[in-house]
Amino acid sequence: SAVISQKPSRDICQRGTSLTIQCQVDSQVTMMFWYRQQPGQSLTLIATANQGSEATYESGFVIDKFPISRPNLTFSTLTVSNMSPEDSSIYLCSVADRGRNDGYTFGSGTRLTVV
Amino acid sequence: EDQVTQSPEALRLQEGESSSLNCSYTVSGLRGLFWYRQDPGKGPEFLFTLYSAGEEKEKERLKATLTKKESFLHITAPKPEDSATYLCAVQATSGTYKYIFGTGTRLKVLA
Repeated sequence: SAVISQKPSRDICQRGTSLTIQCQVDSQVTMMFWYRQQPGQSLTLIATANQGSEATYESGFVIDKFPISRPNLTFSTLTVSNMSPEDSSIYLCSVADRGRNDGYTFGSGTRLTVV
Repeated sequence: EDQVTQSPEALRLQEGESSSLNCSYTVSGLRGLFWYRQDPGKGPEFLFTLYSAGEEKEKERLKATLTKKESFLHITAPKPEDSATYLCAVQATSGTYKYIFGTGTRLKVLA
């Protein structure tokens, strides 16, 4: 199964600043997914990142706020821009792992606190 | 609208006390139902995929079952190391790969 390295694991940021989260996979994957997990809530898909094309954003999420890069088949970044306290959350990247009956492998997450 | 509801929100068990977690779902067409385990400070870890009603999967003390409206995760003789949040998710047959997650059940097993 794929192994994902996600960093930073946590950060405390000032409002109005931006944070870039990195996700490195140990194998080539077509699609990478970015999720947000707010306290007490379910995981919500932010966007899907395909190599060589623009990311596809879910309803309620926009590129200006969450720009995504996907320069190759093993790496992606998610930037949380112009942060406010409402952006405090856990951000997770994931990839489809066909060897696990369509189950997805997740990174360990980035716990973001905006003050 | 596709939806996943998990119950209970939290569950405390004594070691060895078997129980079940519930995942009720509403989806236009089910492609697959997934169970994950999430430990504090970590990402979800894949446990099972179920595709059709009547299907069952087992792994150590865990057994997942599926009906047309819900799935159960049965935990037999749990141990403290089974303490975690268990997440359920569904994928619809609507042509997307998108998961719809429930909010999870926080399980605490006491020694």
